[in-house]
Amino acid sequence: GAGVSQTPSNKVTEKGKYVELRCDPISGHTALYWYRQSLGQGPEFLIYFQGTGAADDSGLPNDRFFAVRPEGSVSTLKIQRTERGDSAVYLCASSRSGVNGELFFGEGSRLTVL
Amino acid sequence: GIQVEQSPPDLILQEGANSTLRCNFSDSVNNLQWFHQNPWGQLINLFYIPSGTKQNGRLSATTVATERYSLLYISSSQTTDSGVYFCAVNGAAGNKLTFGGGTRVLVKP
Repeated sequence: GAGVSQTPSNKVTEKGKYVELRCDPISGHTALYWYRQSLGQGPEFLIYFQGTGAADDSGLPNDRFFAVRPEGSVSTLKIQRTERGDSAVYLCASSRSGVNGELFFGEGSRLTVL
Repeated sequence: GIQVEQSPPDLILQEGANSTLRCNFSDSVNNLQWFHQNPWGQLINLFYIPSGTKQNGRLSATTVATERYSLLYISSSQTTDSGVYFCAVNGAAGNKLTFGGGTRVLVKP
């Protein structure tokens, strides 16, 4: 597609459940990022992929969060044993030339943990 | 890590007014972007501007990298300009965009 695509757009789950969020970057973009945005705040960095490997995962809040990008294109953010504090909008972005190139964001996946 | 401060935090404008939003950062940068987050949450790219001046219609931006700030100008504001404006930077030694807290703009008809 023309832009970064994220699915689902909305996800409601119960505390303790497992969740997967998917990101399909712009074709040809080698760099992919996950961010999390809580209400009233700016997006916060979670993880950065260059190709298939996680170049920087320093923003993942704890070991319940994990992300993969097995073929260097689509990425999946996985959250185990969800907690109410995980409720936020999860944003994905991609860039053709890494972090110093222009980043383009998807519309986000809104996660609500009841 | 690099710190990003945006001002003012909130701005109320009458339609047709001009305004300036400011972004200060604490270190040298390799990337600076301005975004507009619309009411549906989508981050719209406005400018990729690690240095210099750019213009796009009623919007323009200037980054003075040596003095560690960037300005976003909105001229002849319209109600569709409402939303949150974010500045985001990547420091010279970094590998991620760090966002400021945003400026919430409301343009009244």
